[in-house]
Amino acid sequence: NAGVMQNPRHLVRRRGQEARLRCSPMKGHSHVYWYRQLPEEGLKFMVYLQKENIIDESGMPKERFSAEFPKEGPSILRIQQVVRGDSAAYFCASSPRGDSQSPLHFGNGTRLTVT
Amino acid sequence: EDKVVQSPLSLVVHEGDTVTLNCSYEVTNFRSLLWYKQEKKAPTFLFMLTSSGIEKKSGRLSSILDKKELSSILNITATQTGDSAIYLCAGGSNAGNNRKLIWGLGTSLAVNP
Repeated sequence: NAGVMQNPRHLVRRRGQEARLRCSPMKGHSHVYWYRQLPEEGLKFMVYLQKENIIDESGMPKERFSAEFPKEGPSILRIQQVVRGDSAAYFCASSPRGDSQSPLHFGNGTRLTVT
Repeated sequence: EDKVVQSPLSLVVHEGDTVTLNCSYEVTNFRSLLWYKQEKKAPTFLFMLTSSGIEKKSGRLSSILDKKELSSILNITATQTGDSAIYLCAGGSNAGNNRKLIWGLGTSLAVNP
């Protein structure tokens, strides 16, 4: 049973370009979460999605950032017009249910570097 | 504001030592406390604790929750170099969604041979 798959592992973008981060949840998991991690800030929640629906995007900046989880295919976190401050590790996690009794399973992350 | 505080921030020990990592939480409508181990990549799930005083054990790792003290400890006995990692603690509320997990900054453990 493959775990949560994220790609690419590393992504380098110039300022102003778009970054697309992909996440395929574990088999049987329909709940996907995106987190951002910076060394001094820990894991910060960005967005929570179920298939075709955004449930909670309260942690995601309103501009330039968007997320989707289509019926078919991986979840995508899109960052438009990237800036240096977007450089971070972005982790995706999935769970079979959306309650806090259901542990999250994380992918290996995408490390975004904006030059 | 909800928060989770871990201590120490970093720790260096020798192989064979026993370590205790601490996690204190202030989480509204607290429901569960989770421990994860993060090496260079994905945080991997270790324990979920919901009841006070009941120890969970997995090999050399064990953890217990104290709801009175709003804290949890993670013990690692007979440490090995492979235990070197960042150990993350997260508090979950009964708001019903994983988004309500509040994460600590982690304890960075280095085990020297």
